[in-house]
Amino acid sequence: KAGVTQTPRYLIKTRGQQVTLSCSPISGHRSVSWYQQTPGQGLQFLFEYFSETQRNKGNFPGRFSGRQFSNSRSEMNVSTLELGDSALYLCASSLNSYMGTQYFGPGTRLTVL
Amino acid sequence: GENVEQHPSTLSVQEGDSAVIKCTYSDSASNYFPWYKQELGKGPQLIIDIRSNVGEKKDQRIAVTLNKTAKHFSLHITETQPEDSAVYFCAATYAGGTSYGKLTFGQGTILTVHP
Repeated sequence: KAGVTQTPRYLIKTRGQQVTLSCSPISGHRSVSWYQQTPGQGLQFLFEYFSETQRNKGNFPGRFSGRQFSNSRSEMNVSTLELGDSALYLCASSLNSYMGTQYFGPGTRLTVL
Repeated sequence: GENVEQHPSTLSVQEGDSAVIKCTYSDSASNYFPWYKQELGKGPQLIIDIRSNVGEKKDQRIAVTLNKTAKHFSLHITETQPEDSAVYFCAATYAGGTSYGKLTFGQGTILTVHP
C-alpha cells in the first residue's frame, strides 16, 4: 500500500498570508490527525478528523483549521500567518483512531518570512 | 492532560553496544505506547508499540518494556548499527477513549551510533 502523502513538501509564505496543506491517508484509513513539529515545542497535536468530522482539537488558536473530505483526504489551513507558525506540519493516518496506531507522512515544511 | 517525559535527550554509543531510552507518562488511563524513529527530512516512522495489557514486546533488535505501576516505558535497541542513528520519540494515548487521534509525545532522543 502507498503510504501517507503530503503536498506540498516545502512552502515559503510571508506574515499575514494564509496557507493550505494537503494530506492523503493510507488507502482504507478513515482517521487523519495533524501535528506541528518545532525544535522548541516538539510534536504537538493540532486536530483529528474522522468521517469528515473533527473529533478532537489541540490547544492552538482559531487561525488553525482543517477539514476532511468524503474520500478521507484532509486539508489544514492556517490564516494570518505569524513567524512562529514556521514548522514541519505532519499528518498521520489511522484505520479509525480507536486502536491508536498512526502512520505519518513526510510532512510539509512551512517557512514564514 | 497527558504529559510525557523522555530521557536522555542525547545518547551516543559505539556500534554493537545497546541503547536504552526511557519515558514516563502522567495519565494512568493511557493504554497505548508507540515509539517512532525520525530521520533527517522524513516523517516519524513507527518502529514498535505496546499496549497496557502487555509488559514487554520484542521485534528483532528492538524491544519495549512497560511498567504500568510506575508509569514508565523504555525502548531497548541491541547490537546498534550506524543506520540506527536518528531521533527517537516515545508517545502515549488512551486508545479507545476520547483521545481521538491525539498522541502525546516526549521531547525526543538524538541517538548517534559511532562506527
